[in-house]
Amino acid sequence: RKEVEQDPGPFNVPEGATVAFNCTYSNSASQSFFWYRQDCRKEPKLLMSVYSSGNEDGRFTAQLNRASQYISLLIRDSKLSDSATYLCVVIVNNNAGNMLTFGGGTRLMVKP
Amino acid sequence: DTGVSQDPRHKITKRGQNVTFRCDPISEHNRLYWYRQTLGQGPEFLTYFQNEAQLEKSRLLSDRFSAERPKGSFSTLEIQRTEQGDSAMYLCASSSDRSTYEQYFGPGTRLTVT
Repeated sequence: RKEVEQDPGPFNVPEGATVAFNCTYSNSASQSFFWYRQDCRKEPKLLMSVYSSGNEDGRFTAQLNRASQYISLLIRDSKLSDSATYLCVVIVNNNAGNMLTFGGGTRLMVKP
Repeated sequence: DTGVSQDPRHKITKRGQNVTFRCDPISEHNRLYWYRQTLGQGPEFLTYFQNEAQLEKSRLLSDRFSAERPKGSFSTLEIQRTEQGDSAMYLCASSSDRSTYEQYFGPGTRLTVT
């Protein structure tokens, strides 16, 4: 079983739609959580951190459910430029160099 | 450009050859990471340096792989006796002690082993 699992998609949505991705993690000792965005043939870039209380950044909302060990990302009012792969990321041990453990990514395609 | 840079961007090599990749992190970042990404998968951690010390190595890093960061600045990743299964994107990332969670990635080196 992978440590971080995501639905690979693709999710095909029209512009303006709301879309949600989930990811699950297997290690209950995971301490920090993030969403990264990766455009085709580009490097991953941090989109946002994820906190237990939930957090919002413009059209993006991230939530963490520690009891169920899942993380979600909600994108409202999708734009064409949101088309990318969204990577769910956890850090298992914050004292051991903060190595990132990535999910396989969920591909989003926003159509006009 | 003051971001993370990697060289070369692409490398095609024949099976059995040795290859070496270079990563130049953001100048004030003392932490440097190597990851490997294959098509359709997320990046997988390979190894981590804090300054010149290599502090963590993944079990993915077989004895054919070696990484160095001799002066705590740039790093090299060498793969000896390459195999077709080594074909992947090799990503380097760096971060600072002040903001250890945010890692900045370089554009990667795409390796193709024929």
